[in-house]
Amino acid sequence: EPEVTQTPSHQVTQMGQEVILRCVPISNHLYFYWYRQILGQKVEFLVSFYNNEISEKSEIFDDQFSVERPDGSNFTLKIRSTKLEDSAMYFCASTSGQENIQYFGAGTRLSVL
Amino acid sequence: EDQVTQSPEALRLQEGESSSLNCSYTVSGLRGLFWYRQDPGKGPEFLFTLYSAGEEKEKERLKATLTKKESFLHITAPKPEDSATYLCAVRALEFNKFYFGSGTKLNVKP
Repeated sequence: EPEVTQTPSHQVTQMGQEVILRCVPISNHLYFYWYRQILGQKVEFLVSFYNNEISEKSEIFDDQFSVERPDGSNFTLKIRSTKLEDSAMYFCASTSGQENIQYFGAGTRLSVL
Repeated sequence: EDQVTQSPEALRLQEGESSSLNCSYTVSGLRGLFWYRQDPGKGPEFLFTLYSAGEEKEKERLKATLTKKESFLHITAPKPEDSATYLCAVRALEFNKFYFGSGTKLNVKP
């Protein structure tokens, strides 16, 4: 069964450092998303991406964040200068567009020290 | 502001004890309501999509229903393996934006 793959599963970084979280969406999917979930809190929408550009973003997704689809398979989330409050689980999701179902990856746990 | 509220926050059931989880929403133009299951340390796993009031979907011991203001996830004769956090999400008028509730953590005791 096709699945969304995220790497790494756990990323530890120092405050102020740049991190790149990687995702491989399901191969025939066209819409891509990043969410974050702070421990014990709700899943929060960050950004959606379609046709090589951002289609929606939340107020959380400020200038410190960027997304990219560098090739035909990867979808990345970059945080330029991490803060303590960026510590969270980050989930990637994708949909085909023909159906409304989002398929999620297992997540990357980001720990900012 | 668009909102999704789930209740209760936590629910403890005995095996076989049926119950319902609630998701109420206020969104400007609903393009879909989604139920997910999330196990600890994992990503949300899709369960159901509902689009219009009166719609119902079923899968094994779970049944989801939708009204104009809320959705219910009914669990019939639950088993311990149904223990998880159940998340509700809505897709808003903005085509590519989803809002999640805080979830209901279900614990089914044998």
